[in-house]
Amino acid sequence: AQTVTQSQPEMSVQEAETVTLSCTYDTSESDYYLFWYKQPPSRQMILVIRQEAYKQQNATENRFSVNFQKAAKSFSLKISDSQLGDAAMYFCAYRRGGGYQKVTFGIGTKLQVIP
Amino acid sequence: DAGVIQSPRHEVTEMGQEVTLRCKPISGHDYLFWYRQTMMRGLELLIYFNNNVPIDDSGMPEDRFSAKMPNASFSTLKIQPSEPRDSAVYFCASSSSWAYEQYFGPGTRLTVT
Repeated sequence: AQTVTQSQPEMSVQEAETVTLSCTYDTSESDYYLFWYKQPPSRQMILVIRQEAYKQQNATENRFSVNFQKAAKSFSLKISDSQLGDAAMYFCAYRRGGGYQKVTFGIGTKLQVIP
Repeated sequence: DAGVIQSPRHEVTEMGQEVTLRCKPISGHDYLFWYRQTMMRGLELLIYFNNNVPIDDSGMPEDRFSAKMPNASFSTLKIQPSEPRDSAVYFCASSSSWAYEQYFGPGTRLTVT
């Protein structure tokens, strides 16, 4: 079974600084997708970024980027120029490819942004 | 599109009562998921449907929980009878075969006293 591990229950970062959230996963599949979701205090789950396993290039969305290390099964999220609105729970998630729809989520990392 | 719609947003009920949570997926999406989120267990998949048919209900905790999807635009999650340990946030999400990610509703916070 696939597992997703987030080993940092809480992180903090100064406003305008950079922070990296860690995620590792376990799978025997070669075709899969990885995601980072953000859950602010409003509870709404929002997709931040996704990475296709077959792509070697790391995904980037504005201030958010990932470091995808396929061999190490590592998928970290880097947030640059942190803003107060980035404060939230962040969930790493895995989905097998080939039309398989079930997603496995990590336990989450709570990010605090210090003004 | 209005996104995934869930109702009610908050539900407070007494132990033993029946609770029904509702979800309207994004139009055109053929997959629908029900999740439960608690501090202790994180985000758990309860059940998911494809084209209104339940595909995997292995996450449904016990017989007190049931879910239906009578048509492509509506699903319910029912708990009968409810217990205090059912208190959690319940999310509905939808996706389509050609999309990568799931789109979540705002969740229903359930409190069973």
